[in-house]
Amino acid sequence: QKEVEQDPGPLSVPEGAIVSLNCTYSNSAFQYFMWYRQYSRKGPELLMYTYSSGNKEDGRFTAQVDKSSKYISLFIRDSQPSDSATYLCAMGANQGGKLIFGQGTELSVKP
Amino acid sequence: DAGVTQSPTHLIKTRGQQVTLRCSPKSGHDTVSWYQQALGQGPQFIFQYYEEEERQRGNFPDRFSGHQFPNYSSELNVNALLLGDSALYLCASSGGVNQPQHFGDGTRLSIL
Repeated sequence: QKEVEQDPGPLSVPEGAIVSLNCTYSNSAFQYFMWYRQYSRKGPELLMYTYSSGNKEDGRFTAQVDKSSKYISLFIRDSQPSDSATYLCAMGANQGGKLIFGQGTELSVKP
Repeated sequence: DAGVTQSPTHLIKTRGQQVTLRCSPKSGHDTVSWYQQALGQGPQFIFQYYEEEERQRGNFPDRFSGHQFPNYSSELNVNALLLGDSALYLCASSGGVNQPQHFGDGTRLSIL
């Protein structure tokens, strides 16, 4: 069993839709949870990070962490074609140390 | 303010050869990590350098080695290249153990 599981998609939605991306994990030591966005032929770009459980909002993006269920989510409101990319969840015991990534979910937002 | 920079952007090698990849961290960052990303997969942690020492290592063989210089830049060396080493190699830097990691655009390594 992988430490972090993420549905690879691909996921295709119309412009303006609400997108939900999810990851599950098995390691209780994880304290930091991150979402990265990766465009084709580019490196991962940090979108949001959360410490422990709870919600965090930044513009159209909301990250949720449920440590009791070992489940994290990223919601994108009013999705735009420019949101089309691969979204990677990542987690670790600390942000600056070893990160374990999910497989990535490929998202396509159609105009 | 320059972000994480990596060189070269692309590299083609043959089996058995050796390769060196380079990384300059974001300004103000002192910790460098290296990741390997196979096609269609998430990045996998190779190792991390801090104060010129390897601080953490992932599940990679000794053929993978690294170095950090006094200016915090870093190199990743891979010896005896195998076809399976073909991947995107990513460098990430951070300003401390509880600071987020920022990635460069990677070096795409192809082994023939």
